Amino acid sequence: KAGVTQTPRYLIKTRGQQVTLSCSPISGHRSVSWYQQTPGQGLQFLFEYFSETQRNKGNFPGRFSGRQFSNSRSEMNVSTLELGDSALYLCASSLAAVAGELFFGEGSRLTVL
Amino acid sequence: GENVEQHPSTLSVQEGDSAVIKCTYSDSASNYFPWYKQELGKRPQLIIDIRSNVGEKKDQRIAVTLNKTAKHFSLHITETQPEDSAVYFCAASMGDAGKSTFGDGTTLTVKP
Repeated sequence: KAGVTQTPRYLIKTRGQQVTLSCSPISGHRSVSWYQQTPGQGLQFLFEYFSETQRNKGNFPGRFSGRQFSNSRSEMNVSTLELGDSALYLCASSLAAVAGELFFGEGSRLTVL
Repeated sequence: GENVEQHPSTLSVQEGDSAVIKCTYSDSASNYFPWYKQELGKRPQLIIDIRSNVGEKKDQRIAVTLNKTAKHFSLHITETQPEDSAVYFCAASMGDAGKSTFGDGTTLTVKP
């Protein structure tokens, strides 16, 4: 069974640009969540989607947005990039609708110059 | 919202010793407490988890204990090996699948 796949793996952008990251969950998983990981900050929750609906949102500015498609694939978008947005963005999928194991992708490493 | 504090931030032990990492959470409604291991350059992976209706859970050299009254839970690794060296994250969640609050991580180094 294929794991969680994230693309692109690495990308470099400049301040003010926007970026779209993609995540394909494990087949059959309907919950997809996104986390931002920075050194010393652990994993910060961005948002979670279930059956194309955003169920939860973390404390990030409106520049961070996302969506989920009918095949459970998800995208997140960051507009007007800032230097502080440089981070590893992890996508995770879950089989159940309620709290349980998260299966993480390898992440998309974003560098903002 | 939920807040999870994790200690220590770094831990160094000799091979064969035990390692203990502790986490506290703030929201008594949290009912699921997983631990993830993240090796350098790799994705976090679940190593053990516990739900609020259980006080302790073991899996070979790894165990987790939960004290709901005090709102803290701990990871215990016995007979540590060099391959246990990694960053360990605790987390707390309730309700929906994907929303978890993570601790800041503990970098465990096991010296051979």
